[in-house]
Amino acid sequence: NAGVTQTPKFQVLKTGQSMTLQCAQDMNHEYMSWYRQDPGMGLRLIHYSVGAGITDQGEVPNGYNVSRSTTEDFPLRLLSAAPSQTSVYFCASSHSGQTNTGELFFGEGSRLTVL
Amino acid sequence: GNSVTQMEGPVTLSEEAFLTINCTYTATGYPSLFWYVQYPGEGLQLLLKATKADDKGSNKGFEATYRKETTSFHLEKGSVQVSDSAVYFCALSDRNTGRRALTFGSGTRLQVQP
Repeated sequence: NAGVTQTPKFQVLKTGQSMTLQCAQDMNHEYMSWYRQDPGMGLRLIHYSVGAGITDQGEVPNGYNVSRSTTEDFPLRLLSAAPSQTSVYFCASSHSGQTNTGELFFGEGSRLTVL
Repeated sequence: GNSVTQMEGPVTLSEEAFLTINCTYTATGYPSLFWYVQYPGEGLQLLLKATKADDKGSNKGFEATYRKETTSFHLEKGSVQVSDSAVYFCALSDRNTGRRALTFGSGTRLQVQP
């Protein structure tokens, strides 16, 4: 019963460093997405993918890259970390038919601190 | 654009008290509405949903009614328990957008004391 798995759960970076947040799901979901959660602002969509080889930007894409080479994996890359990217990041997935009904399945989150 | 407004927290209640968390929305088209819950240290889980006006979503004793005339989707529970302590997010999904994303409110933290 793995569901959506995110790694790492915690990470501290220095400004300018790069890193990748990993997300994997074992439910054969077509749709995957990344959100960031900031105090008082709810969750905001960073990038999303509707299938392998297809990605698109969300509400706050600047500073982040994604790729979707397999159905299972959807990594989020920070090429040059900035303090403004300090946040909690959530990966979420769903079957395409569930996406418009809001039934997203979330990982446990990755807390990133950029010094 | 779409937006969701929730009451600010934290909301602190005694066990068995009545809970209301207000949620109003702005959206084009006819959105579906949701409540998600986030327990400490966990990701978000879908609590309940309503896909059209006057629908009532319910789960685990929680209820919310889709009110198109007041653009609201308030969450209620008749008798809260300590185990209900969590952060609650109201969200909407606009079927007319290509992103297939949810728009979330800022979340309301509920603390239930024994």
